[in-house]
Amino acid sequence: SQTIHQWPATLVQPVGSPLSLECTVEGTSNPNLYWYRQAAGRGLQLLFYSVGIGQISSEVPQNLSASRPQDRQFILSSKKLLLSDSGFYLCAWRTGLNYEQYFGPGTRLTVT
Amino acid sequence: GQQLNQSPQSMFIQEGEDVSMNCTSSSIFNTWLWYKQEPGEGPVLLIALYKAGELTSNGRLTAQFGITRKDSFLNISASIPSDVGIYFCAGGGRRGTYKYIFGTGTRLKVLA
Repeated sequence: SQTIHQWPATLVQPVGSPLSLECTVEGTSNPNLYWYRQAAGRGLQLLFYSVGIGQISSEVPQNLSASRPQDRQFILSSKKLLLSDSGFYLCAWRTGLNYEQYFGPGTRLTVT
Repeated sequence: GQQLNQSPQSMFIQEGEDVSMNCTSSSIFNTWLWYKQEPGEGPVLLIALYKAGELTSNGRLTAQFGITRKDSFLNISASIPSDVGIYFCAGGGRRGTYKYIFGTGTRLKVLA
């Protein structure tokens, strides 16, 4: 069966510091991968998605970036965090066989 | 970013009551997904719909893919306290895109 991991689970970072969040998927090949951000009590905002290694589509211009160095690994980064980057970051995946999308457990980021 | 209209925004119900919520869009989708999210966790996929008019059940949950392909409905029968959470719809499967558009969420609170 497929599983998705995200780490860290929680993170507190000062403004101006770098960020690296990691997501990995097990039990599937060539998944489509997604990064979402969710503000407190709000809906999901799509940040990036990837349909293959090295292929990244950006949905929201901001100081975040994403990379996909391996088939089942998706990384969200920032060189300098802003207060507005605080939120709940969710990684998700789907196969190319159907449109069911599955989410990871999320990372709670607080920028202070 | 774009979001689907989901209603009601929140609801309090008595345990044992049936619950209905819906999701509407100005665009056509080929797939509708329904998720439940509990505090501090990632959304969990409840039901996936692929065909206009389709009615699909998962235990006490029943979802329908609207005939116009611009809406979807979720019903929960005989609610129980563990049904508490936020329910999100998501539309996807449009030709040429791998993206999903999410609803604004329905927060459900069940009174025992």
